[in-house]
Amino acid sequence: GDSVTQMEGPVTLSEEAFLTINCTYTATGYPSLFWYVQYPGEGLQLLLKATKADDKGSNKGFEATYRKETTSFHLEKGSVQVSDSAVYFCALSDRNTGGFKTIFGAGTRLFVKA
Amino acid sequence: SQTIHQWPATLVQPVGSPLSLECTVEGTSNPNLYWYRQAAGRGLQLLFYSVGIGQISSEVPQNLSASRPQDRQFILSSKKLLLSDSGFYLCAWSVPSGRRDTQYFGPGTRLTVL
Repeated sequence: GDSVTQMEGPVTLSEEAFLTINCTYTATGYPSLFWYVQYPGEGLQLLLKATKADDKGSNKGFEATYRKETTSFHLEKGSVQVSDSAVYFCALSDRNTGGFKTIFGAGTRLFVKA
Repeated sequence: SQTIHQWPATLVQPVGSPLSLECTVEGTSNPNLYWYRQAAGRGLQLLFYSVGIGQISSEVPQNLSASRPQDRQFILSSKKLLLSDSGFYLCAWSVPSGRRDTQYFGPGTRLTVL
């Protein structure tokens, strides 16, 4: 079945460092790909998404490119801030799942130090 | 605009007691609805999803149940809580188009079973 694998955390960076969180997926169809972010004590919120190959999703300085050839959707940010400290979830939604379910990765916790 | 509410925000219950968590969505009709559980430091586990009133699909067999008595109301219940039911419970909705769409999450309920 469909699955999402993302790098284990926690990831600890200093402010203004470059961030990469790796995400790869397996899917039988042509999924949409998402990154969600969860701040402490809150629900998840959509950070960015891409719906087809070579699309780049971007928001708040974060970017991810849908790479069908490598089945990847890595999250990047050029200069992280303390306020970016959160848990980041990679996810996919696939037509073969009927559009009703989203498959989430295990999440990667990011700590940014001042 | 659409909003999603969950209550209570926090709950402490003894083992063996009943449970009722409520989720309501405003500003949309016939949404797909979801219940997830997030154990401490873990990813999201899909518990139930619903595509319409009275239609519930269970993903994980356990002592929890879900009901959808109204179009925009989703309830998670248990007759007798277990210690392992502790966690952060998240309700979410998505557009009922069958497309590979974004999920919108509520603020969550933190349940501690003692």
